[in-house]
Amino acid sequence: EAGVAQSPRYKIIEKRQSVAFWCNPISGHATLYWYQQILGQGPKLLIQFQNNGVVDDSQLPKDRFSAERLKGVDSTLKIQPAKLEDSAVYLCASSQQGRTTNEKLFFGSGTQLSVL
Amino acid sequence: AQSVAQPEDQVNVAEGNPLTVKCTYSVSGNPYLFWYVQYPNRGLQFLLKYITGDNLVKGSYGFEAEFNKSQTSFHLKKPSALVSDSALYFCAVRDPPGGSYIPTFGRGTSLIVHP
Repeated sequence: EAGVAQSPRYKIIEKRQSVAFWCNPISGHATLYWYQQILGQGPKLLIQFQNNGVVDDSQLPKDRFSAERLKGVDSTLKIQPAKLEDSAVYLCASSQQGRTTNEKLFFGSGTQLSVL
Repeated sequence: AQSVAQPEDQVNVAEGNPLTVKCTYSVSGNPYLFWYVQYPNRGLQFLLKYITGDNLVKGSYGFEAEFNKSQTSFHLKKPSALVSDSALYFCAVRDPPGGSYIPTFGRGTSLIVHP
């Protein structure tokens, strides 16, 4: 079974530039999550999709971050413009249903973003 | 709001000795609790979960965790540590049905197993 795929693996940009991350969840998984993991901290949920609808985006900085999952499969997270404090690892995860809260999450390897 | 706390940034243990990584939680109602492990340059991997039933939960790689409702804790344990267990460990909680469904993670504990 293929895992959660993310790209790129690493990205270095200057502040005020834009960047996009891509995620392809495990086939058939309805729920997709984007987490931000700052060095030394636990993952923080940015946005959760159920199929192509947003379940929760309360912690997404909407003035600069956006995410979409148009066909209910793969997803893109965008930052525009980037700030120094956006330097982090961006993790994508998926789960089969999501509404069943005892489900485990499957994570991708993440995209490490450095904003200079 | 739900939350988890991992009070130790780092745990050091000698190979062959028992290990404990601590986690306490705060949630309304009965919690769903999880442990994940993160190896360098990798995503998080599921280790085990507690939903209901037996307070001692067994998981992958010989790990187990003990749920203690009175102390609101869910400590991760292993009877005999291996060098290969060295990694970052995250405790997580999800609200029970009717809650937010958002998986919330602790800040992580770095486990270092010395040969």
